[in-house]
Amino acid sequence: NAGVTQTPKFRVLKTGQSMTLLCAQDMNHEYMYWYRQDPGMGLRLIHYSVGEGTTAKGEVPDGYNVSRLKKQNFLLGLESAAPSQTSVYFCASRESGTVADTQYFGPGTRLTVL
Amino acid sequence: AQKVTQAQTEISVVEKEDVTLDCVYETRDTTYYLFWYKQPPSGELVFLIRRNSFDEQNEISGRYSWNFQKSTSSFNFTITASQVVDSAVYFCALSEPTGGGNKLTFGTGTQLKVEL
Repeated sequence: NAGVTQTPKFRVLKTGQSMTLLCAQDMNHEYMYWYRQDPGMGLRLIHYSVGEGTTAKGEVPDGYNVSRLKKQNFLLGLESAAPSQTSVYFCASRESGTVADTQYFGPGTRLTVL
Repeated sequence: AQKVTQAQTEISVVEKEDVTLDCVYETRDTTYYLFWYKQPPSGELVFLIRRNSFDEQNEISGRYSWNFQKSTSSFNFTITASQVVDSAVYFCALSEPTGGGNKLTFGTGTQLKVEL
């Protein structure tokens, strides 16, 4: 049981390049989330999914797209990377949408955009 | 809109001192959950505790204790006899049944440094 895993762990991009971050969970969780963490700003929600085939915008969705084609995977895409997207990205999952459920986080992906 | 405030940006203590991390939240809902997460230097986010809005009993787990006071909208975290391994960033978070995602709203975190 690996929990929540993220690929890759580190990545350096040039401005304008594209990439996809992969989040996978093996806990059969319905809900999945993508956050970014920036110094002094805590974690901010980018997009989330309440089930396979669904996605919704979070607090800071601009410049990102997501897909949830399979229940266990949640992909975060950057179509044209910008230096402002330099950040640490965390994926999380939770069993269901009840307010009591705990979110479990992946180890993070450190992305640098030059 | 929900909000979580962790006013202490950084705290430094000497090992074996007690330290309290403050968390103040704002919400309009009567049903909500509060969480604390730890982020050690290695970077992962580790779940520490969850508390619901109807349970104001203090919680103790080893050297960790949590004090939830609805009257002051606070959910403070105390580490007794701190150790170097407690050095980390600690996040307080609020979960509310808003919208469809039951999203977490995080505070900005408190960096705790425990020195010998």
